[in-house]
Amino acid sequence: GQQVMQIPQYQHVQEGEDFTTYCNSSTTLSNIQWYKQRPGGHPVFLIQLVKSGEVKKQKRLTFQFGEAKKNSSLHITATQTTDVGTYFCAGLSSGNTGKLIFGQGTTLQVKP
Amino acid sequence: KAGVTQTPRYLIKTRGQQVTLSCSPISGHRSVSWYQQTPGQGLQFLFEYFSETQRNKGNFPGRFSGRQFSNSRSEMNVSTLELGDSALYLCASSPNRGRGGGGYTFGSGTRLTVV
Repeated sequence: GQQVMQIPQYQHVQEGEDFTTYCNSSTTLSNIQWYKQRPGGHPVFLIQLVKSGEVKKQKRLTFQFGEAKKNSSLHITATQTTDVGTYFCAGLSSGNTGKLIFGQGTTLQVKP
Repeated sequence: KAGVTQTPRYLIKTRGQQVTLSCSPISGHRSVSWYQQTPGQGLQFLFEYFSETQRNKGNFPGRFSGRQFSNSRSEMNVSTLELGDSALYLCASSPNRGRGGGGYTFGSGTRLTVV
């Protein structure tokens, strides 16, 4: 079945350093979504990418969708302590509406 | 507008018992998905309901079941509980089954502990 792999599992950075998490799907996706979960909280939707090669920015966050629509990345520039949490990618298969499969998540720790 | 409401927030059950969890989606959202979250396995897809019909199912045993009512509220049931069923159960609603621009909105979850 559809699998979504995400690396790294953990990342510790010094405040001000950059951070990137990568996501790879076993199948072609119709869209990929990114979520953030703060410790003790629930996943919160950040963004959705739909088009091949799409790049979207939200302030210090840059999201990319691969040309083959099977991989994606999230890059945070100059991390802040408020960026702490677990970042999940989630893929919606092109052949199956409604089944959103999550990657294992990358937990980001930021040292002040 | 009100978010996704899950009840109860916390639950402690004994092995062998059954449990029912409830989810009220955002008004107007007809798609409800359920996920099991554990530290080791991340967010595992349980099932998705849309217009009262189960449209997708994950790789969980038949002890896990669910349903959706005409008002889009959903319940999931776990029978014959096992220790390994201890987890955070999250419900997420979507207006259009994950398409469009808004993604899924998650509830705060039900923390189930099986002892």
